[in-house]
Amino acid sequence: DADVTQTPRNRITKTGKRIMLECSQTKGHDRMYWYRQDPGLGLRLIYYSFDVKDINKGEISDGYSVSRQAQAKFSLSLESAIPNQTALYFCATSDSDIINGYTFGSGTRLTVV
Amino acid sequence: RKEVEQDPGPFNVPEGATVAFNCTYSNSASQSFFWYRQDCRKEPKLLMSVYSSGNEDGRFTAQLNRASQYISLLIRDSKLSDSATYLCVNNQGGKLIFGQGTELSVKP
Repeated sequence: DADVTQTPRNRITKTGKRIMLECSQTKGHDRMYWYRQDPGLGLRLIYYSFDVKDINKGEISDGYSVSRQAQAKFSLSLESAIPNQTALYFCATSDSDIINGYTFGSGTRLTVV
Repeated sequence: RKEVEQDPGPFNVPEGATVAFNCTYSNSASQSFFWYRQDCRKEPKLLMSVYSSGNEDGRFTAQLNRASQYISLLIRDSKLSDSATYLCVNNQGGKLIFGQGTELSVKP
């Protein structure tokens, strides 16, 4: 099994729908992150969590919410999806000193029509 | 100004060539630095961490110049399998900030 698992891998949804992207990890890391990637823009941070009781907004949090259900689980929700949220979404984890960078999940390709 | 800026791509090089990527960062408080590799539509994977004294891993050499806020990655003897996008990354307060990436294409 992968260290960081994202579900679903691909999703097509309609404008206005609520959608949840899920992330689970077996690394035992405290820190978890959600990024989105758009062509030419690189990865941009949406939300991050340094432990179960800690949630922080990133660079582009508008239109998104998160829930840290357990150390191993961090989900991202789009309350009312819009087409410009079409992107590749990555979950990542790290230990507290980030000596080895992040470990990424395989990504969720989301299309909002 | 972007927090992490990289050379615009794509770089098209023949097999066996040496290629260098440059990256600048704007936040002098950045704590640590990395180079990631990303294959098309896949997750980024850590290529190497960048240490203040510079470090080498096989054909790959990374350099850091804190005074100039500049990071570089040198790839020697390029292989076809090196074709990918290379992401310059810095750690700011526990959050990794990514450059937009530089695409490398190694041709036979």
